[in-house]
Amino acid sequence: EAGVAQSPRYKIIEKRQSVAFWCNPISGHATLYWYQQILGQGPKLLIQFQNNGVVDDSQLPKDRFSAERLKGVDSTLKIQPAKLEDSAVYLCASSSLRGGFSGNTIYFGEGSWLTVV
Amino acid sequence: SQQGEEDPQALSIQEGENATMNCSYKTSINNLQWYRQNSGRGLVHLILIRSNEREKHSGRLRVTLDTSKKSSSLLITASRAADTASYFCARYNQGGKLIFGQGTELSVKP
Repeated sequence: EAGVAQSPRYKIIEKRQSVAFWCNPISGHATLYWYQQILGQGPKLLIQFQNNGVVDDSQLPKDRFSAERLKGVDSTLKIQPAKLEDSAVYLCASSSLRGGFSGNTIYFGEGSWLTVV
Repeated sequence: SQQGEEDPQALSIQEGENATMNCSYKTSINNLQWYRQNSGRGLVHLILIRSNEREKHSGRLRVTLDTSKKSSSLLITASRAADTASYFCARYNQGGKLIFGQGTELSVKP
């Protein structure tokens, strides 16, 4: 079974530029997550999709971050304009069931490493 | 804010020794999960323990859960250099969001 695919793996941009990350979840997984992980910290959930609908985006900085999951499969996370503090790893993950009390396993991609200079 | 806190933040041991990492949380849980993250990689699910379980084993991993103290521990026995990684506990909050702690950075020296 193929895992969660993410691209690009690494990106360096200047502040105020824009960047987009792509994620392809495990086939058949209805739930897709984007996490932000700053160096030395645990991952923080940015947005959670159930099929192509947003379940939770309460911690997504909506003035500069946007995400979409058209057709309920692939997803794109965009940052525009980027700030220095956006330097982090952006992790995409997916699960077959909606997260919560089911305790289902969430599968993570390798992450997209962003450096804003 | 993060709902799980691990300690220690960093742990350095020799190969063959046991490594114990602890996780504390603030609100009631249905289950608690442990993940491993190798440097530069994504997170890998290790083990899930439900609130009605006190101990769970998986290979060299042993997880305990004490709901009265709102704490869990991950024990890695007979550690290997390949166990060098960051370990995170995670729990679902009331809104169904999986919240991670800050992690414990484990270094196993050969």
